[in-house]
Amino acid sequence: RKEVEQDPGPFNVPEGATVAFNCTYSNSASQSFFWYRQDCRKEPKLLMSVYSSGNEDGRFTAQLNRASQYISLLIRDSKLSDSATYLCVVANTGTASKLTFGTGTRLQVTL
Amino acid sequence: DAGVTQSPTHLIKTRGQQVTLRCSPKSGHDTVSWYQQALGQGPQFIFQYYEEEERQRGNFPDRFSGHQFPNYSSELNVNALLLGDSALYLCASSMLQNQPQHFGDGTRLSIL
Repeated sequence: RKEVEQDPGPFNVPEGATVAFNCTYSNSASQSFFWYRQDCRKEPKLLMSVYSSGNEDGRFTAQLNRASQYISLLIRDSKLSDSATYLCVVANTGTASKLTFGTGTRLQVTL
Repeated sequence: DAGVTQSPTHLIKTRGQQVTLRCSPKSGHDTVSWYQQALGQGPQFIFQYYEEEERQRGNFPDRFSGHQFPNYSSELNVNALLLGDSALYLCASSMLQNQPQHFGDGTRLSIL
């Protein structure tokens, strides 16, 4: 079983739609959780950290369920520029420790 | 404020050769991590360097080695290259235990 599992997609949604990505992780000792965004042939960029209380950044909302070992990302009012691969990431200790990535979920927003 | 810089951008090698990739961390960062990203996969952790020592290592063979210099820059060395080593190699830097990791643009390595 992979340490971090994501649906690879692709998710094809029209502009303005709401889309949700889910991710599960296997190591219950994981302490830090993130969503990274990766554009085609570019480096991953931190989108947001994920907390148990849930956190929101503009159109993006992330949620962590430690009991179910489940992480989610919700994107509201999708823009063409949101088209990218979204990587679910967990770390076992501090934020600078080893990052374990899922395979990524590809999102394509269309007109 | 320069971010994480990696060189070279692209590299083509043949099987059996050796390669050295370089990384300069973001200003103020002292920890460097290396990742391998195969096509269609998420990045896989290779190892992390702090205070010129390897602190953590992923599931990679000894053909993969590294070094960190006193100025915090780092090198990744891969010996006896295999076709399966073709990938994007990403360097990430951070302040240990303090900040999220920031990635460089990567080095795209192709093995013929």
